[in-house]
Amino acid sequence: DQQVKQNSPSLSVQEGRISILNCDYTNSMFDYFLWYKKYPAEGPTFLISISSIKDKNEDGRFTVFLNKSAKHLSLHIVPSQPGDSAVYFCAAGIIQGAQKLVFGQGTRLTINP
Amino acid sequence: GAVVSQHPSWVICKSGTSVKIECRSLDFQATTMFWYRQFPKQSLMLMATSNEGSKATYEQGVEKDKFLINHASLTLSTLTVTSAHPEDSSFYICSARSGTWEQYFGPGTRLTVT
Repeated sequence: DQQVKQNSPSLSVQEGRISILNCDYTNSMFDYFLWYKKYPAEGPTFLISISSIKDKNEDGRFTVFLNKSAKHLSLHIVPSQPGDSAVYFCAAGIIQGAQKLVFGQGTRLTINP
Repeated sequence: GAVVSQHPSWVICKSGTSVKIECRSLDFQATTMFWYRQFPKQSLMLMATSNEGSKATYEQGVEKDKFLINHASLTLSTLTVTSAHPEDSSFYICSARSGTWEQYFGPGTRLTVT
C-alpha cells in the first residue's frame, strides 16, 4: 500500500521557468510533510517542510503548498536553475507517532538550459 | 548545521562476512536515528528506527538478527549486516533527528557483496 505517491517519474523544465512537483498521500493521519532533493549515490538533502496547520511555506525559490482536503502537496521551484536537476522525494510523517517518514517514489527533475 | 556523516561511503565484501556501517551526527545530538535502504530507481525504504540507549524498532519484513543496529550514543548509530549475501547489496542511508521533525540524511553507503 503506497501511502505517499509521486505519480510523475520525471519532469523536464526550461531554465528560468517554474518547476512544479506533485505528491499525493492517502493517510489522513499525516501531519507534516517534507521535500528532499537527491543526487545519485548521495543521501537526500532536506529542502523544505510544512505542517498540516499551514497551507503554504516559502523558502527562497522553494514553496510548498498543502491541500489537506485533497491530500495533495506540491513543490514549486522558481526560477528553475540547472543545479536543480535531481530526484525529488516527498515524505510524510506523524508528529506524535514514531516520527517515521514515508517516502514517495521520487520525481526526476531535469532543467534544460 | 545538521550534518550527518556515514562511514564507509562504499564497501565490497565477500559473501558470509559481516560489515559495519557507522552513522554520526556531527554538530547536533540525535535522539533518534533511522536506517534506510534504497534499491536502484526506487524510493527509500525504512528498515529500522533507533533511539539512544534502547533497542531498535524494526520495520515489518526486516530481519533484526541480520541487520544489527546499535545506537550507543547521541551522535553514533551503527548498522551491522551479518553474514552478508549478494541480495544484501544495496545503498544504505541513515538519517538523524534532533528534536524537531526534520530528518537529516547521511551521504549513504554503497554495499556490494560478492
